[in-house]
Amino acid sequence: KQEVTQIPAALSVPEGENLVLNCSFTDSAIYNLQWFRQDPGKGLTSLLLIQSSQREQTSGRLNASLDKSSGRSTLYIAASQPGDSATYLCAVRVYNQGGKLIFGQGTELSVKP
Amino acid sequence: DAGVIQSPRHEVTEMGQEVTLRCKPISGHDYLFWYRQTMMRGLELLIYFNNNVPIDDSGMPEDRFSAKMPNASFSTLKIQPSEPRDSAVYFCASSFRQGLNSGAFFGQGTRLTVV
Repeated sequence: KQEVTQIPAALSVPEGENLVLNCSFTDSAIYNLQWFRQDPGKGLTSLLLIQSSQREQTSGRLNASLDKSSGRSTLYIAASQPGDSATYLCAVRVYNQGGKLIFGQGTELSVKP
Repeated sequence: DAGVIQSPRHEVTEMGQEVTLRCKPISGHDYLFWYRQTMMRGLELLIYFNNNVPIDDSGMPEDRFSAKMPNASFSTLKIQPSEPRDSAVYFCASSFRQGLNSGAFFGQGTRLTVV
């Protein structure tokens, strides 16, 4: 059974810092891994999608990596801003379970001005 | 495309009443997921459909919950009778075929409060 874990559960950094959020999964048989952002009281916004054959994806100040063999992904945020404050969730699309999409518990990020 | 559309956005109901949540997926997407989000348990997958057929409903908490997808553009999640512990935010998401490695897109959610 696929399990997704995100560490840390919460993170507070001063503005301008570079930071890394971690996501690990127990079964490497995945189609893809997706990083989402969720603002309080809002829905989930997709940030980056990494296909199983890819190693990384970049969008602006965000860079996501995928190491399928070790069951790990990282989301790197460069030059953090207060507007980056949100909860970040990773989700894997499971290959052996009919395309099920399974989420981690999220990392709550606070960027202080 | 307007994205995944859920209705209502907020629902307050009394314990014992029937609640119906609605979802319109993105046109052309053939996977549809229903999730429940609470502070304690995070995002839980309740059920998902492929081509309008339920694939896995093992996350549905009990028989009080049911979901249908009568056509490719509409799905419902029904709770009957509702209980206070059902209070949560319910999200619907859709995606294209897994073989094309399409990402999932989420609706804005329905915040359900059962009093």
